[in-house]
Amino acid sequence: DAGVIQSPRHEVTEMGQEVTLRCKPISGHDYLFWYRQTMMRGLELLIYFNNNVPIDDSGMPEDRFSAKMPNASFSTLKIQPSEPRDSAVYFCASSFGDRGWTQYFGPGTRLTVL
Amino acid sequence: ILNVEQSPQSLHVQEGDSTNFTCSFPSSNFYALHWYRWETAKSPEALFVMTLNGDEKKKGRISATLNTKEGYSYLYIKGSQPEDSATYLCALHGSGNTGKLIFGQGTTLQVKP
Repeated sequence: DAGVIQSPRHEVTEMGQEVTLRCKPISGHDYLFWYRQTMMRGLELLIYFNNNVPIDDSGMPEDRFSAKMPNASFSTLKIQPSEPRDSAVYFCASSFGDRGWTQYFGPGTRLTVL
Repeated sequence: ILNVEQSPQSLHVQEGDSTNFTCSFPSSNFYALHWYRWETAKSPEALFVMTLNGDEKKKGRISATLNTKEGYSYLYIKGSQPEDSATYLCALHGSGNTGKLIFGQGTTLQVKP
């Protein structure tokens, strides 16, 4: 099993640009989570999906952030326009509801907004 | 709002020392308790999932216990090694089967050779 796949691994962009982060969950998993890691807040949940449907987006910081899951094997997190305070590591994780709810994390995308 | 607290925030021990840290959670809203290990520049990896009061899980030199009545879990590391250096996160899966985990802020362990 390839595990959760995220791309890109590193992204450097300039303030105001659109950024799209991608995630492929583990095949068969029905939950997908987007997290952000910062020094100040640690690991914070941004949004999660169940069977491709967004369940809770209360952690999305503001309207500049949006997430989609068009099918069971792909999700995107988009920031438009990006700001320097968005610089962080963004993790995607997936889990299977009937198997203990353990979340499996991808390698993360390190985003730097200049 | 569910709150998961971990203590201490950080810990420095010598190689060979045994250590333990605590995760506290609201006992009234419990479904499962997860422990993760998170090495620097990597992603969190699952260690244990515990659901029953009195549960005890072990993986090599690392073990964990669970008390759902009083709302705490302990993680123990016996004979710490430098490769145990990492942040250890606990996460509460509250009742309601939503799939969402509430993570604590973590305990960062540094083991000096």
